Amino acid sequence: GIQVEQSPPDLILQEGANSTLRCNFSDSVNNLQWFHQNPWGQLINLFYIPSGTKQNGRLSATTVATERYSLLYISSSQTTDSGVYFCAVTGANNLFFGTGTRLTVIP
Amino acid sequence: DAGITQSPRHKVTETGTPVTLRCHQTENHRYMYWYRQDPGHGLRLIHYSYGVKDTDKGEVSDGYSVSRSKTEDFLLTLESATSSQTSVYFCAISSGYEQYFGPGTRLTVT
Repeated sequence: GIQVEQSPPDLILQEGANSTLRCNFSDSVNNLQWFHQNPWGQLINLFYIPSGTKQNGRLSATTVATERYSLLYISSSQTTDSGVYFCAVTGANNLFFGTGTRLTVIP
Repeated sequence: DAGITQSPRHKVTETGTPVTLRCHQTENHRYMYWYRQDPGHGLRLIHYSYGVKDTDKGEVSDGYSVSRSKTEDFLLTLESATSSQTSVYFCAISSGYEQYFGPGTRLTVT
């Protein structure tokens, strides 16, 4: 299957700080999604972004498919941003997940 | 939010007993998936369905079977539960692009 690597594995931020999360993948993919898993375990769709750049409020994402990576930007972080951020890519009918970046935002 | 429910939400069972988890959708999406989430592994695909009675294996399908007799329901069965199947199970649906996840079922096999 496709290998998906996320960095950093853990990140601690002061509220108001900005951050960049990275996702590298090993093969060409049909699509890429970013998810946030909140402290209650719910998986929330952030972006469907096979290529290009998208923005949603304080979050934005960029995927450069030809170079096999994607970036998730979080600006002006809030405590509610805490949780685990997953990148997932599709090959055939499988969605392959990275092991996530655990973000903790401190007030 | 996509209309996906999972039942039960929590279950404790003994080794060797059969267990069935249910995923129900109200979105009429063609594709449905079962994943398990374990520490250090992210989410891994167990089985998926691309239509009624059409299913296929995922990355970690051993010990699991699935059935889909109607569009809205996708069942995951552990024929004889083992302790290694203690996990959080997520169902997901898709129309072919984005996947949307249910709330999860926490299964403990003692």
